[in-house]
Amino acid sequence: KQEVTQIPAALSVPEGENLVLNCSFTDSAIYNLQWFRQDPGKGLTSLLLIQSSQREQTSGRLNASLDKSSGRSTLYIAASQPGDSATYLCAVANAGNNRKLIWGLGTSLAVNP
Amino acid sequence: NAGVTQTPKFRVLKTGQSMTLLCAQDMNHEYMYWYRQDPGMGLRLIHYSVGEGTTAKGEVPDGYNVSRLKKQNFLLGLESAAPSQTSVYFCASSYPRLGSPLAKNIQYFGAGTRLSVL
Repeated sequence: KQEVTQIPAALSVPEGENLVLNCSFTDSAIYNLQWFRQDPGKGLTSLLLIQSSQREQTSGRLNASLDKSSGRSTLYIAASQPGDSATYLCAVANAGNNRKLIWGLGTSLAVNP
Repeated sequence: NAGVTQTPKFRVLKTGQSMTLLCAQDMNHEYMYWYRQDPGMGLRLIHYSVGEGTTAKGEVPDGYNVSRLKKQNFLLGLESAAPSQTSVYFCASSYPRLGSPLAKNIQYFGAGTRLSVL
């Protein structure tokens, strides 16, 4: 059974720091992996999607990498800003059933001015 | 462009009452999902639909029913509410029919419904 783990559960950094959020998964037979952002009291927004054949995806200050063989993905945020404060969730679609996502519990990020 | 709209935003029920949560999407998406989000347990899939007139069970379907009579709407019903169903409920949709299959997992979420069952 696929399990998705995110470490750390919470992170607090000063503004301007570069930071890395981690996501690990137990079954390497994935279809894709996705990073979402959730702001307090709101829904989720998809940030980056990496197909199983890809190694990384970039959007602005965000870069997500994927290493299927080790079951890991990282989300790199460059030059963090207070507006980046949110919970970041990782979700995996399995190769055998790619209609559903398996979710991690998220990393709660606080960027302090 | 409204995206995914959930109604109501908040609701308080007494144990045993029933209610229906409505999800509407205006993106012509094929797939729709209902999740619940609880502290320490993350997002759990309740039911989902891969097209009009179809529904399927997710991880935690007991105590809930769904219907997708129209492509743009996905209803979640609580037959007899229990305190264990106190949660935040999210609806999501994905996969425009004429879009790339690679995008089928990019889910668009509503703002959520906060439900308390007393």
